[in-house]
Amino acid sequence: AQSVAQPEDQVNVAEGNPLTVKCTYSVSGNPYLFWYVQYPNRGLQFLLKYITGDNLVKGSYGFEAEFNKSQTSFHLKKPSALVSDSALYFCAVRSISGGYNKLIFGAGTRLAVHP
Amino acid sequence: DAGVIQSPRHEVTEMGQEVTLRCKPISGHNSLFWYRQTMMRGLELLIYFNNNVPIDDSGMPEDRFSAKMPNASFSTLKIQPSEPRDSAVYFCASSPPTGLYGYTFGSGTRLTVV
Repeated sequence: AQSVAQPEDQVNVAEGNPLTVKCTYSVSGNPYLFWYVQYPNRGLQFLLKYITGDNLVKGSYGFEAEFNKSQTSFHLKKPSALVSDSALYFCAVRSISGGYNKLIFGAGTRLAVHP
Repeated sequence: DAGVIQSPRHEVTEMGQEVTLRCKPISGHNSLFWYRQTMMRGLELLIYFNNNVPIDDSGMPEDRFSAKMPNASFSTLKIQPSEPRDSAVYFCASSPPTGLYGYTFGSGTRLTVV
């Protein structure tokens, strides 16, 4: 069965330091992987995706993610964190069931960037 | 495009009352999803539609919850009767036919049942 795991409930990082938010997945076939961000009192917003091609994908707000097939991971990274990056981050993988596409979301990781 | 539009943004109702949440998906998107988000349970998929047809409603918590999609541009989620434990943020999301583009989420409806 397809699944996504975000092993950390919360990540704390100082402003200006690099950040990593972890995600591992389990899916049959080639994975389509996504990262979403949720700011307070807002809906989830698309950050970036991996479908095929270069393992390092770049997205909005300076974020990037690295697809690692052997480790079945898709960690979200940013070289220098901003306080405004503090939010809830969700990893997701596409699932196909009965011919229908849907996303399986992780439980979310709260990122707190401290001044 | 205005994105996925949900209404109302906030709803406060008394226990036992009927509540109807509304969603307008992005034009051309053929899949629509209803989610509920709480601190305790996180993000839960309630039901999803493909081409206006309900595909999977296994996430609907009880018979008090029902959802409809009468046409490609409108969906409702109804709770009757509402209970305090239904208090949550309800999100609607839509996606195009392929799995390449992910979802676009609405801003949500914050429901408080007192």
